[in-house]
Amino acid sequence: EAGVAQSPRYKIIEKRQSVAFWCNPISGHATLYWYQQILGQGPKLLIQFQNNGVVDDSQLPKDRFSAERLKGVDSTLKIQPAKLEDSAVYLCASSFRGQLNTEAFFGQGTRLTVV
Amino acid sequence: DAKTTQPNSMESNEEEPVHLPCNHSTISGTDYIHWYRQLPSQGPEYVIHGLTSNVNNRMASLAIAEDRKSSTLILHRATLRDAAVYYCIGDYGQNFVFGPGTRLSVLP
Repeated sequence: EAGVAQSPRYKIIEKRQSVAFWCNPISGHATLYWYQQILGQGPKLLIQFQNNGVVDDSQLPKDRFSAERLKGVDSTLKIQPAKLEDSAVYLCASSFRGQLNTEAFFGQGTRLTVV
Repeated sequence: DAKTTQPNSMESNEEEPVHLPCNHSTISGTDYIHWYRQLPSQGPEYVIHGLTSNVNNRMASLAIAEDRKSSTLILHRATLRDAAVYYCIGDYGQNFVFGPGTRLSVLP
């Protein structure tokens, strides 16, 4: 079974630039998550989709971050404009249904460095 | 938010059992307890989860206290490949909250 695919693996941008990350979840997984992981910390949930609808985006900084999941499959996460504190690994995960009593599969992440 | 607490780090010798503790005193009666681990430069990887009774799979065992205020992840024979950060998570109604986890070092 193919895993969660993310691209790019690494990205370096200057502050105030924009950047986008792409995620392809496991086929058939209705739930998709984006997490931000700052060095030395556990992942923090940014947004959760169920099919193409948003379930939870309470911790997404909406003034600069946006995410979409068109057609309920692939998803993109965008940052515009980027700040130095956005330097982190951005992880995408998917599960067959919500996380209750099920396993979530994570991609390898995109490491973003803002200089 | 309900939270879990874990030791920051633990050490184990190779081929010995490892018991990783977690306190989740505010977890509700319907919240599952999940364990994930994260190897260097990788995304988190599912280990095991349970609700009330002890659970076993090919990777580990999960022992859940009768009052559900704590649990222990058991690796029966640690290998060098088990060196990782281990996260204990309560699902709090379909919303994973990761703490800083326990960094497990395995000594040869």
